[in-house]
Amino acid sequence: DQQVKQNSPSLSVQEGRISILNCDYTNSMFDYFLWYKKYPAEGPTFLISISSIKDKNEDGRFTVFLNKSAKHLSLHIVPSQPGDSAVYFCAASDANDMRFGAGTRLTVKP
Amino acid sequence: NAGVTQTPKFRVLKTGQSMTLLCAQDMNHEYMYWYRQDPGMGLRLIHYSVGEGTTAKGEVPDGYNVSRLKKQNFLLGLESAAPSQTSVYFCATAWVPSGSYEQYFGPGTRLTVT
Repeated sequence: DQQVKQNSPSLSVQEGRISILNCDYTNSMFDYFLWYKKYPAEGPTFLISISSIKDKNEDGRFTVFLNKSAKHLSLHIVPSQPGDSAVYFCAASDANDMRFGAGTRLTVKP
Repeated sequence: NAGVTQTPKFRVLKTGQSMTLLCAQDMNHEYMYWYRQDPGMGLRLIHYSVGEGTTAKGEVPDGYNVSRLKKQNFLLGLESAAPSQTSVYFCATAWVPSGSYEQYFGPGTRLTVT
């Protein structure tokens, strides 16, 4: 069973605009949520995270929003840059389990 | 400071052969993980370790074994490879006591089983 779902396999946005990547989860025991970015032929790299006690976390151009009642989180990238083009994975974690979504391929067009 | 390294980077096996993937880290992290990534599936946890000498099963452990004899190394073994184990394998580490579950990933090993 997929406990973490990213329903959009791909997203294309224009440079300078906002990118919004979405993620849904089913397990209410998850207490920490993360976004990773992955370039081809490389391992994923950590981007931003949020604890379940918060509803928003911001780091520069990246903001993650958490809606616990809807079991939904989103990553906002503003403004989007061509270098942001990559696959983005959301992940949800409790103490010893980390579950990843299938990823969303973001393409930022110049 | 190499971070997390994986050996080998690529490997082709025939069905029934065995091999061991090595993950090494110089970050002094307690937690180490092995994942596999398949198209449309994201990353799935195979096994993990919360410290030297300990291992535990993840989401998809069947057909794999692991060992953590030293804190800095985490080995993933395939005793009898099957085509279904064709995948990209990632090792990761984490310093969980920091309060974050942020993981640091190696570059991956691409394994093909024919």
